[in-house]
Amino acid sequence: DAKTTQPNSMESNEEEPVHLPCNHSTISGTDYIHWYRQLPSQGPEYVIHGLTSNVNNRMASLAIAEDRKSSTLILHRATLRDAAVYYCILRGRFGNEKLTFGTGTRLTIIP
Amino acid sequence: DTGVSQNPRHKITKRGQNVTFRCDPISEHNRLYWYRQTLGQGPEFLTYFQNEAQLEKSRLLSDRFSAERPKGSFSTLEIQRTEQGDSAMYLCASSLAKGAIETQYFGPGTRLLVL
Repeated sequence: DAKTTQPNSMESNEEEPVHLPCNHSTISGTDYIHWYRQLPSQGPEYVIHGLTSNVNNRMASLAIAEDRKSSTLILHRATLRDAAVYYCILRGRFGNEKLTFGTGTRLTIIP
Repeated sequence: DTGVSQNPRHKITKRGQNVTFRCDPISEHNRLYWYRQTLGQGPEFLTYFQNEAQLEKSRLLSDRFSAERPKGSFSTLEIQRTEQGDSAMYLCASSLAKGAIETQYFGPGTRLLVL
């Protein structure tokens, strides 16, 4: 699996936007970019995924660089409930069912 | 609640004892995954099933570990002769097979402490 690199931790003020970066310089043309997050004492939960184009859903937006070597998860208005570890994961199109988690970014929201 | 459930939520055992965990996936999901997570690390893949067939096992899954999904519904993960290094959170996830856009839904995990 291609590897991803994320900052260990980030802080953000409540009700402000948060930009969580992920570098994946060895991404292949068929790798999808997935984001999961893990709230304290819970299992991970899916946030968003994309291939080439930017994506939006009710939880977040995903901005993908034109060369696909990096991406940014955007939380438009962070709340205290968004405090979690965020994982950026690459998944190949075929034959790669498991998720390969790194250590993720621990996001702290400051009230 | 129709999410993934895991039992027990917590388990304390003595070294050398056997333990068994259960996972009940979302009912229509054909894939079921087991992961292990230690403190400060992301989850690590252990094994997965498609229906009742176990299709992949990680090298992390030593001979002391066995997983089953007898009727393609719930799954059990058994650890024999537990060791202190087995202390971790054991996570179960389920999904509908959809290739790279598959979404995995995780349960709350079973936290194991081996004394």
